[in-house]
Amino acid sequence: EAGVTQFPSHSVIEKGQTVTLRCDPISGHDNLYWYRRVMGKEIKFLLHFVKESKQDESGMPNNRFLAERTGGTYSTLKVQPAELEDSGVYFCASSHLVGTGLNTEAFFGQGTRLTVV
Amino acid sequence: AQSVTQLGSHVSVSEGALVLLRCNYSSSVPPYLFWYVQYPNQGLQLLLKYTTGATLVKGINGFEAEFKKSETSFHLTKPSAHMSDAAEYFCAVSDRVTGGGNKLTFGTGTQLKVEL
Repeated sequence: EAGVTQFPSHSVIEKGQTVTLRCDPISGHDNLYWYRRVMGKEIKFLLHFVKESKQDESGMPNNRFLAERTGGTYSTLKVQPAELEDSGVYFCASSHLVGTGLNTEAFFGQGTRLTVV
Repeated sequence: AQSVTQLGSHVSVSEGALVLLRCNYSSSVPPYLFWYVQYPNQGLQLLLKYTTGATLVKGINGFEAEFKKSETSFHLTKPSAHMSDAAEYFCAVSDRVTGGGNKLTFGTGTQLKVEL
């Protein structure tokens, strides 16, 4: 079974440009999460999809970030326009949805390392 | 609000020595607790988790952790380090009450180095 896949693995863009990150979750996983790690700091939650719906986007830094999950399969995270402070590693994770309580284990992708220069 | 503190951003041990990675958490509700590991060029992998029941939790690769409510700690240990354990380790907490599931609050990570 394929794991969580993220594209690209690395991206270097100039300040002001647009970048789109993609995450393909494990097939059948309704939960999809985005996290970000800024260099030297902790991994921080960005948002959570359940199927195609945004369940929780409390961690999104500002309106330059737009996440979508059309059809409830893969997800994209667009940064427009990118700023220097957006540099970091963006992780995607997915898990099965259960009725109540703790969901099943979240599987993480390798991450996309974004560098804004 | 929840938070996680990992003491020591870098820990170095000799091969065969005890591994102890410290994690303290803060949570206003009963927590779920996790340890993840990230090997070079790989994603985060779940080592072990505490949800309910036995406070000593065993994970993969010989690691274990003990939930101590009175100390708000969840330290990770392994009796004998192996070179392959060199990686970055993350402690995380999630909120069991709201069923936050996999919405995790992470610590800043501890880089483990294993020396011959």
